[in-house]
Amino acid sequence: KQEVTQIPAALSVPEGENLVLNCSFTDSAIYNLQWFRQDPGKGLTSLLLIQSSQREQTSGRLNASLDKSSGRSTLYIAASQPGDSATYLCAVRSPGTASKLTFGTGTRLQVTL
Amino acid sequence: GAVVSQHPSWVICKSGTSVKIECRSLDFQATTMFWYRQFPKQSLMLMATSNEGSKATYEQGVEKDKFLINHASLTLSTLTVTSAHPEDSSFYICSARDPRADTQYFGPGTRLTVL
Repeated sequence: KQEVTQIPAALSVPEGENLVLNCSFTDSAIYNLQWFRQDPGKGLTSLLLIQSSQREQTSGRLNASLDKSSGRSTLYIAASQPGDSATYLCAVRSPGTASKLTFGTGTRLQVTL
Repeated sequence: GAVVSQHPSWVICKSGTSVKIECRSLDFQATTMFWYRQFPKQSLMLMATSNEGSKATYEQGVEKDKFLINHASLTLSTLTVTSAHPEDSSFYICSARDPRADTQYFGPGTRLTVL
């Protein structure tokens, strides 16, 4: 059974800092991995999706990497802003699971002024 | 990206009543939709996979007679929480799979509070 863990559980940084969020998964046989953002009381916004054959994806100040063999992914946020404050979730889609996603435990990020 | 809506966005009900939550894909046809539950400060837990025209597939530990799922059309799935109790209070989120992009799009969620 796939298990997904995120470290740290919570993070507070001053505005302008670069930061890294970590995601690890137990079964390296994945179809893809996705990073989401969730604001309090809201649904999920997809940030980046990395296919199993890819090593990284970039969107603006966000860069996600994938090391499938070691079961790890990182989300790098450059020049953090207060508007980046949210919970970040990674989710793994395993092959042959009818598109089901297994979510990580999440990292609550707060970017302070 | 594609849009998925949920209705209602929040609901408060008395213990013992049933509550229906709707999930709609607004600009694509979704043969598969998913229902998740999220407790405060916790991650999303998949409850069931809803397939259009067939029975839903429930995850282990989820009572199918308590959480009734109907996926009668390619754009609508409903989750009915029957005989709700305070422990059913949670944030329920649906997602719909767009087969054109092989991607799930998530709804905004429904906050259920059972008194």
